[in-house]
Amino acid sequence: QQPVQSPQAVILREGEDAVINCSSSKALYSVHWYRQKHGEAPVFLMILLKGGEQKGHDKISASFNEKKQQSSLYLTASQLSYSGTYFCGAYSNSGYALNFGKGTSLLVTP
Amino acid sequence: NAGVTQTPKFQVLKTGQSMTLQCAQDMNHEYMSWYRQDPGMGLRLIHYSVGAGITDQGEVPNGYNVSRSTTEDFPLRLLSAAPSQTSVYFCASSYGADYGYTFGSGTRLTVV
Repeated sequence: QQPVQSPQAVILREGEDAVINCSSSKALYSVHWYRQKHGEAPVFLMILLKGGEQKGHDKISASFNEKKQQSSLYLTASQLSYSGTYFCGAYSNSGYALNFGKGTSLLVTP
Repeated sequence: NAGVTQTPKFQVLKTGQSMTLQCAQDMNHEYMSWYRQDPGMGLRLIHYSVGAGITDQGEVPNGYNVSRSTTEDFPLRLLSAAPSQTSVYFCASSYGADYGYTFGSGTRLTVV
């Protein structure tokens, strides 16, 4: 099943902060975050593993609450280049399939 | 290092025709997956593989077949194209569950 993302869309001014949330009804092994620019393929940002280890991007941070099966992506001091659609993907404990949420559209304006 | 290569980039099919979308990676990744992307629906998993000879169905497998005879290649076959299969298709690969996926550039398919 697809994880659930919120909000669906965010508009920010350059320099503002944003939080994107991702939750699942199933127990999670790991959570991935990707960004997709219009007309391009998704690009991997970050992975959060069960047990707290985080790998990936150094300018955007994320958290993973295993007990609540939730993850949040934190974009601080947003830049114009942050604009795009952000997807969370989740591996459940019981499978090898990476399922994605419907995405959060982020627009950063000057 | 080419990464994940998808062909063709664009394709128009008539209803009922069959075709194969090609996907190849040169990174020795074990995990490979096919997704379709439709407006407002995100990325939906069609089929995936965790190694040569091993495949399984994702969320939306109907109308599609896959096989994985080599580590490098993971083709997606449309058996009898329908307008509902009009979409952008992405192939992606990864070393495994502890690593991120690398996506191909996508195939835009239109079924008329």
